[in-house]
Amino acid sequence: AQSVTQPDIHITVSEGASLELRCNYSYGATPYLFWYVQSPGQGLQLLLKYFSGDTLVQGIKGFEAEFKRSQSSFNLRKPSVHWSDAAEYFCAVRGGSYIPTFGRGTSLIVHP
Amino acid sequence: DGGITQSPKYLFRKEGQNVTLSCEQNLNHDAMYWYRQDPGQGLRLIYYSQIVNDFQKGDIAEGYSVSREKKESFPLTVTSAQKNPTAFYLCASSVTGDTEAFFGQGTRLTVV
Repeated sequence: AQSVTQPDIHITVSEGASLELRCNYSYGATPYLFWYVQSPGQGLQLLLKYFSGDTLVQGIKGFEAEFKRSQSSFNLRKPSVHWSDAAEYFCAVRGGSYIPTFGRGTSLIVHP
Repeated sequence: DGGITQSPKYLFRKEGQNVTLSCEQNLNHDAMYWYRQDPGQGLRLIYYSQIVNDFQKGDIAEGYSVSREKKESFPLTVTSAQKNPTAFYLCASSVTGDTEAFFGQGTRLTVV
């Protein structure tokens, strides 16, 4: 079975500061990994994905994530946060069943 | 533009009534999914379908039903057997296989 853990329920950062959101997954082989963002009352938008190859992947809105097999992690990063980045962020894993499993989400709060 | 359309955006129903949420996609995707979202619980899979006329139960299928008569459509019925139906419902689709899921804008169902 596959699973995803997002250890942080809330993260608060100041505008302009760097950001790292943590994601740990459980799956026997190399999974497909995703980060999504959700604004209040909206659907989910894909930020980036990892399928294979380079372990550092670039996404939209200046986000990047690094796949670390040894740590079963896929942390999301951004060097400088903007107030518009305040949202809910979800990490997802997709294994052999092709059904994506989502973490519980991390709420990002940005202080001016 | 291609995408996934969920309707209505807000839905109110009285307790004991069945209600059907619509999900239509024009992305020519084979797979479609229904997730339920509650605060702090992430996304939980209700039903999924990987091909027309076939669907499978997800983790929380009790009290829900679906149909997949057309590739573009995957309606979800919330029945009176669902004990706590008030939630945000998200529909998604993907090309079957190793790709990401695309989401609709969601339907917020409130049962009073």
